[in-house]
Amino acid sequence: GNSVTQMEGPVTLSEEAFLTINCTYTATGYPSLFWYVQYPGEGLQLLLKATKADDKGSNKGFEATYRKETTSFHLEKGSVQVSDSAVYFCALIRNTGGFKTIFGAGTRLFVKA
Amino acid sequence: EAQVTQNPRYLITVTGKKLTVTCSQNMNHEYMSWYRQDPGLGLRQIYYSMNVEVTDKGDVPEGYKVSRKEKRNFPLILESPSPNQTSLYFCASSLSLGSNEQYFGPGTRLTVT
Repeated sequence: GNSVTQMEGPVTLSEEAFLTINCTYTATGYPSLFWYVQYPGEGLQLLLKATKADDKGSNKGFEATYRKETTSFHLEKGSVQVSDSAVYFCALIRNTGGFKTIFGAGTRLFVKA
Repeated sequence: EAQVTQNPRYLITVTGKKLTVTCSQNMNHEYMSWYRQDPGLGLRQIYYSMNVEVTDKGDVPEGYKVSRKEKRNFPLILESPSPNQTSLYFCASSLSLGSNEQYFGPGTRLTVT
């Protein structure tokens, strides 16, 4: 079946450190891939997306590349800030045979000043 | 302001007492969806709707009902709530499916005793 697996958190980093949050997926066909961010007490917001293989999504210094050969969509940022502290969710939407959305379990990030 | 609204934001109820959580969007979006968020499980899709009068099951539909009589509204109905439905619920909408981002409501925290 379809699934999304994220690295377990929490991830704790110092300000200006490099961030990687791993995400791998299993899906039939060619899903669209997303990263969403959830700040405390809020709903989810789209961070970035990619809709086909080798696409790179980017926003606010975050990047992720759709790697079909490794079925991965890892999130990276070169220099994190305290304000990046949040929970990050990887997600996919199948584009065939129904349009279910599958989310990963989420990875909590703490950034220390 | 473009938004997804949910009501109530917090609800404590007892087993078996029917309840409805409302969801409304003002962006003329075709696609709407309900999720539940539980620790360690991320978001799991309950039901989704691709347009008026078109609904389909997500991954965890048992114990829930939905309806989509108007484009802007997508209520979630729990006919006979049970304690295992205690969770944080999110409604989301999207212009269409596939590559479009979903806009999330602020969440409804439900406790069933």
